[in-house]
Amino acid sequence: DIQMTQSPASLSASLGETVTIECRASEDIYNGLAWYQQKPGKSPQLLIYNANSLHTGVPSRFSGSGSGTQYSLKINSLQSEDVASYFCQQYYNYPYTFGAGTKLELK
Amino acid sequence: EVQLVESGGGLVQPGRSLKLSCLASGFTFSNYGMNWIRQAPGKGLEWVASISSSSSYIYYADTVKGRFTISRDNAKNTLYLQMTSLRSEDTALYYCARLGPLDYWGQGVMVTVSS
Repeated sequence: DIQMTQSPASLSASLGETVTIECRASEDIYNGLAWYQQKPGKSPQLLIYNANSLHTGVPSRFSGSGSGTQYSLKINSLQSEDVASYFCQQYYNYPYTFGAGTKLELK
Repeated sequence: EVQLVESGGGLVQPGRSLKLSCLASGFTFSNYGMNWIRQAPGKGLEWVASISSSSSYIYYADTVKGRFTISRDNAKNTLYLQMTSLRSEDTALYYCARLGPLDYWGQGVMVTVSS
């Protein structure tokens, strides 16, 4: 199985700041990587797919990058509505696997 | 608008069975692979099972293989998860989600396994 190691586990940032979340796969996943946002009590929502493609309706302050085994999610100009947990997921191969998540809070 | 609505959850004793349903609308259900994902209380996301659009390909997580069965009825726009031999560690919020990447998710249905 492909292991997804996500960091940091938690993050505190100020409004307007830029934050970056990292995800490392245990083997090459050939950009089969998605990022999800989950707000408390809500279902996860797709933000980024294919490592760097923005899902419909997602604000452009979200961006994804990376290749091979190393991927990252960047949030520019942090807004209050971005407070949430973020998960990476590889869908290159079964079983699909998720990172453990990053809880983003406002400083 | 894509909508996925899960149902069938509840409290069940260990060793018993339960069947979840996910009713899809707003898209051509028969064209898309579907998935079940679960999230234990306060925990992360765990992929459970996937089924291709025509049910030709089915995959399971090792943790549920042999106990859970994913299926679909394209005429009824409905995805199912038959869960048997339930264990306390199966307690979770179960989501259905479309495709992979998981581009749309339902609101989730809670399954609690407890005596």
